[in-house]
Parts: sequence; structure tokens; C-alpha cells
Amino acid sequence: RKEVEQDPGPFNVPEGATVAFNCTYSNSASQSFFWYRQDCRKEPKLLMSVYSSGNEDGRFTAQLNRASQYISLLIRDSKLSDSATYLCVVNSNYQLIWGAGTKLIIKP
Amino acid sequence: DGGITQSPKYLFRKEGQNVTLSCEQNLNHDAMYWYRQDPGQGLRLIYYSQIVNDFQKGDIAEGYSVSREKKESFPLTVTSAQKNPTAFYLCASSMGQGDGYTFGSGTRLTVV
Repeated sequence: RKEVEQDPGPFNVPEGATVAFNCTYSNSASQSFFWYRQDCRKEPKLLMSVYSSGNEDGRFTAQLNRASQYISLLIRDSKLSDSATYLCVVNSNYQLIWGAGTKLIIKP
Repeated sequence: DGGITQSPKYLFRKEGQNVTLSCEQNLNHDAMYWYRQDPGQGLRLIYYSQIVNDFQKGDIAEGYSVSREKKESFPLTVTSAQKNPTAFYLCASSMGQGDGYTFGSGTRLTVV
């Protein structure tokens, strides 16, 4: 089992819709969690950290479920510019472990 | 503006040749990292450094070497021992180990 697993997608979603995807992790002692966004042939950029109480940044909401060992990302009112690959990252033993990413395509 | 700069953007390597990828940051970050990204895979850690003159192997260090003589610089050499070097190489830095990372724009290395 991979340490961090994501559905590779692609998720094809109409503009304006709400989309959510999850990421599971295997190390129950993982300390912190992040979502990164990566555009095609570009470097990853930090989208948001994921806190135990959940956090929201505009149209984006991140949640952590420690009991089931997954984190989620919800995007409301999706825009064409949200099309990208979303990478889940888990801090495990002070090393960042990266998921392979979920590809999201927003269609007009 | 502070940031992290990788060069070159594209690099072509002949069989049996060593090449060096540059990574410079002016964020005053202590930790620096080199990752490799292949299509459909997550980032894989090659080497990392938490402090000047010290570095550690990551998961796929074979065929690579690094140095950390200055806080700002963490160059990666891809040696001829790396049998499949064609990939997207990303350098990153962070204040501390486990903090969120800032990435450079990457170097695409192709073996010709």
C-alpha cells in the first residue's frame, strides 16, 4: 500500500459545480497535511495547509479525518482556472510524502 | 522579491555525461530539497539538506550527488551512473523540515 494515495482522475466537472476529492494516508502518526496545486509542466504551489479543525479559504475547504486517515479538498463554484492537478502531501516522520495527484478538468 | 531559482529550464544530456542542475534561494530558508517527478507519479525525494555542509540521501539518491557549501545554493549533479535520468527535477526550500515548501520552476532533463 502506498503511503499517500489519491484517485488520479481525471475529474471532468462543469464550470460552477462543486467537486471534492480525498486522499488517504497510511501512517497514523502523520503530523501535518497540505494540498498543493500543480499546473501542467509547472512546479507545485501550496494551496492550503489542512488543520485538524478543518479550514476554508474562499471557495476551497480542506478537512482532516484522523480516524479514517484521509484528508479532503472541496472546491465550490468551480472556475475554468481551477483546472490543474491537486497534490496531497503528508508530513510523516518529518518528511513530506507526496501523492501522485488528482487531475481536475473544469469544462465551460 | 524572495524566491527560488532553478537553471537551466531545459537540459539535454548525452549518454555517459554528468550534468549539474542549479538551485538558488534568497528566502533565508535552512532546508533545501531535490525531487524528481515522472509522469503519473508523486514527487520522489533525491537528496535534502537541513543545514550548510550537511545533506542526507532521500529515497532515490543512487546516481545523483549534491553539495551545500552555502545556505543559498544546493546544486544537483546527475551522474552517468543514473540510468534513467529523463525527468522533471524540482528544487524546493522550507524554513524547517516538514514545513510547507516553496518550489523552483523546475528543470526538464532529457537524455539524447
